[in-house]
Amino acid sequence: ILNVEQSPQSLHVQEGDSTNFTCSFPSSNFYALHWYRWETAKSPEALFVMTLNGDEKKKGRISATLNTKEGYSYLYIKGSQPEDSATYLCAFHTNSGYALNFGKGTSLLVTP
Amino acid sequence: EADIYQTPRYLVIGTGKKITLECSQTMGHDKMYWYQQDPGMELHLIHYSYGVNSTEKGDLSSESTVSRIRTEHFPLTLESARPSHTSQYLCASSEYLGTGNEQYFGPGTRLTVT
Repeated sequence: ILNVEQSPQSLHVQEGDSTNFTCSFPSSNFYALHWYRWETAKSPEALFVMTLNGDEKKKGRISATLNTKEGYSYLYIKGSQPEDSATYLCAFHTNSGYALNFGKGTSLLVTP
Repeated sequence: EADIYQTPRYLVIGTGKKITLECSQTMGHDKMYWYQQDPGMELHLIHYSYGVNSTEKGDLSSESTVSRIRTEHFPLTLESARPSHTSQYLCASSEYLGTGNEQYFGPGTRLTVT
């Protein structure tokens, strides 16, 4: 089981604040880095799948960057809204199989 | 929204009972997975399948078993439930490795064994 670290564990921000989370993963045998958003009572939803060092991806107010050489990825949310409240999961994928190795997630609460 | 379904969503059952957790997907994906999440912990892979009649154990040891007789169906069975099996179980599927293996998840089954 490969170790994926996410920080912070939880975050409480006000509506309109921008925020970011970190995911650290082993840099050897890297294949892909996934970010998922998991709202309570719903299915985890894929936000980004990144495979190349230096990748930057954006979906609306959410963006992510990837550094495979040093083994980290950042997720940014600009102008947080209450509907952004969810757990954000990072998962790392090696080139030796199909399994995703997940971190424990960052739980985000955005209050009006 | 992904077309992957799990039933039941919640199950409370007594020790010693046999349980089958259902997972179905309508996307025609070859690869399917079962993950287990204990409270406050990460999702861990317990079973996966590359296609019909293919099943493998994941990184986390589990007393459960799985079968893959049809592409769309990947049920998980516990022959004799114990309180240590209390957890959340998520099913997922993916199409192929070339796109980074994006996985589509069901809503999960929250199992409590009393």
